[in-house]
Amino acid sequence: DTEVTQTPKHLVMGMTNKKSLKCEQHMGHRAMYWYKQKAKKPPELMFVYSYEKLSINESVPSRFSPECPNSSLLNLHLHALQPEDSALYLCASSQSQLAITDTQYFGPGTRLTVL
Amino acid sequence: SQQGEEDPQALSIQEGENATMNCSYKTSINNLQWYRQNSGRGLVHLILIRSNEREKHSGRLRVTLDTSKKSSSLLITASRAADTASYFCAPRDNYGQNFVFGPGTRLSVLP
Repeated sequence: DTEVTQTPKHLVMGMTNKKSLKCEQHMGHRAMYWYKQKAKKPPELMFVYSYEKLSINESVPSRFSPECPNSSLLNLHLHALQPEDSALYLCASSQSQLAITDTQYFGPGTRLTVL
Repeated sequence: SQQGEEDPQALSIQEGENATMNCSYKTSINNLQWYRQNSGRGLVHLILIRSNEREKHSGRLRVTLDTSKKSSSLLITASRAADTASYFCAPRDNYGQNFVFGPGTRLSVLP
């Protein structure tokens, strides 16, 4: 199984809502990533988990809260978002963050709209 | 980590033609990877070329690497409508842990 799955595919939320994005992989990868992508822009790294520990937080606002319950799952908890947070949120995984020849496997993304 | 810069930013060709896009980077690398993203979808890894390799093939894809010029090119031969996508390069040095994607090349293959 070389697939990264993400749910939901689409999400519309108000600025006062709390929601979560989910990501799952069963490739035995030990690194997982969240990216944010605005229209016609490249993906921008938000968080990296390595061996279930938060390795990198790219100065992301606290209204985004990542969680890695186990090596296969990655969540992104959303609270009090702003309309400018509307974007495609991509999850990715790789065998190891530290391997230079590591390649990343991406999920299909969650299209988030904040009203 | 370092960012690649893809060129051109947009490219339109007819089906059956070849498409060439380029990537430049700033400092020495261990390897360089190319990814494709179809509209609104996740990225897909296409090919990895190591710094000691000059050319690599995968199906209709040919990647070249010129470390003296700090550049790489991706050639797609006999393009198809399904090749319509954005293409990103990701240069990897020995120090950076993460990918930093450049603006990409948006390829449109017209029927």
